[in-house]
Amino acid sequence: QVRLVQSGAEVKKPGASLKVSCEASGYTFTKYAVIWVREAPGQGLEWMAWISVDNNNTHYGQRFQDRLTVTTDTSTNTAYMELRSLTSDDTAMYYCAREGSCSSTSCYAYWGQGTLVTVSS
Amino acid sequence: DIQMTQSPSSLSASLGDRVTITCRASQSISNYVNWYQKKPGKAPKLLIYAASRLYRGFPSRFSGSGSGTDFSLTIRGLQPEDVATYYCQQSYSSLLSFGGGTKVEI
Repeated sequence: QVRLVQSGAEVKKPGASLKVSCEASGYTFTKYAVIWVREAPGQGLEWMAWISVDNNNTHYGQRFQDRLTVTTDTSTNTAYMELRSLTSDDTAMYYCAREGSCSSTSCYAYWGQGTLVTVSS
Repeated sequence: DIQMTQSPSSLSASLGDRVTITCRASQSISNYVNWYQKKPGKAPKLLIYAASRLYRGFPSRFSGSGSGTDFSLTIRGLQPEDVATYYCQQSYSSLLSFGGGTKVEI
C-alpha cells in the first residue's frame, strides 16, 4: 500500500533552516508529483510547493519563493522540503502528499503523518 | 494566483441536519476542485475530487457540486464522526491553493 513517512518533530531557533523528509513506498516514486502543505496553529491548510518527481520541475507558493526548496532523491524514494530563515510564524505541522489518480484532474489522496516544527528562541 | 473563498468559516448543526459549505474561486477553474476533511491531529483526507466525485471510503451522505467559480460540499444527515474542518482546494493552476476552511460542529 502507498505510504509516506515523514521525519520527526523538530525544534528550531529563529533564523535557522529546516529540512523535512518524506519517504515514499508502495508505488513507483517517479510516477507521481509530491506537494508540501502546512498547518499553523489556529490556521488553515497552506500549500507551499509542488514537485514533479520524474523531471524535478517545481512550483512554489509566492510566500515561500525566496526561502523554500523542495527536492527528491529517487535512489531512496524520498522527497525533501527545506525552509530557510525561520521565524516563529513558521511554527506549524508540515505535510507531504502525493497525487492520486483522479480522472483528468489532480488530487492528493495520500498524505504523510505530518512533521511538527516549532520555532522558538 | 487563484484565491479560494470558503464560507462559512464555521457552523454548528444538529445530528441529521443537511449542511452545505460553499467555495468560490477568483476565476473560472472548470471542475478542478477537491475537498478534504481534516480532523485535529490527523492528516487531511481526500473527500471529493473533480468537484463531484466521492473518494473511496467516504459514505454517500457526502456530495460535491459546481463548476466554473462556484462549488459546494453537502453533508446529508450529519453524523458525529463528521465533526471536522473541511477545505476546498483548486488544482486548475500549477500554483495550488486552499480555501480558508469550514469548521463543522454539532
